[in-house]
Amino acid sequence: NAGVTQTPKFRILKIGQSMTLQCAQDMNHNYMYWYRQDPGMGLKLIYYSVGAGITDKGEVPNGYNVSRSTTEDFPLRLELAAPSQTSVYFCASSHRVDTEAFFGQGTRLTVV
Amino acid sequence: GESVGLHLPTLSVQEGDNSIINCAYSNSASDYFIWYKQESGKGPQFIIDIRSNMDKRQGQRVTVLLNKTVKHLSLQIAATQPGDSAVYFCAENMRAAGNKLTFGGGTRVLVKP
Repeated sequence: NAGVTQTPKFRILKIGQSMTLQCAQDMNHNYMYWYRQDPGMGLKLIYYSVGAGITDKGEVPNGYNVSRSTTEDFPLRLELAAPSQTSVYFCASSHRVDTEAFFGQGTRLTVV
Repeated sequence: GESVGLHLPTLSVQEGDNSIINCAYSNSASDYFIWYKQESGKGPQFIIDIRSNMDKRQGQRVTVLLNKTVKHLSLQIAATQPGDSAVYFCAENMRAAGNKLTFGGGTRVLVKP
């Protein structure tokens, strides 16, 4: 079982560049989440989705965009990368709101 | 290695002792809570969950206690083992707030041999 797959695992971006962090889950989960984790800190919710076609902002959405055209995929877009976006990004999914969320292995992003 | 947990509170525990990790959650209307374990370089892993209509739930070597009066959650690990060394996070979900799963601050657990 693949679970939640994130790509790439590592990326270095220059200031002002754009990129898309990919997240795919094969568990037919409705709920999907994007978090960022700064060094030595907890997880902050960026965006989440309760189903295909529905997305909503979390705690720290500025500088990011998401889409949810299918149940399986939930890409996170950075349009103009800034050093403040240097972080580890985690994608997660869950079947229902009151069941455990499964996490991917993370994408480590450095903006220089 | 990873820097997860460098700035988080640390709990040092002797191997074989019991550990108690505490978490204060933010919203009295939250109705579902989860404890996650995060090892260095990995994503969070589910440990145990509890719904707001319960005040205690037990798993294998772990117990979660929920005190809704003071909005407090705790995770008890029995007979702590070296493999329990990690950062532990609590998370809460509230349907009325749009089903956002939000995380509290974590606690780093160091198990001493």
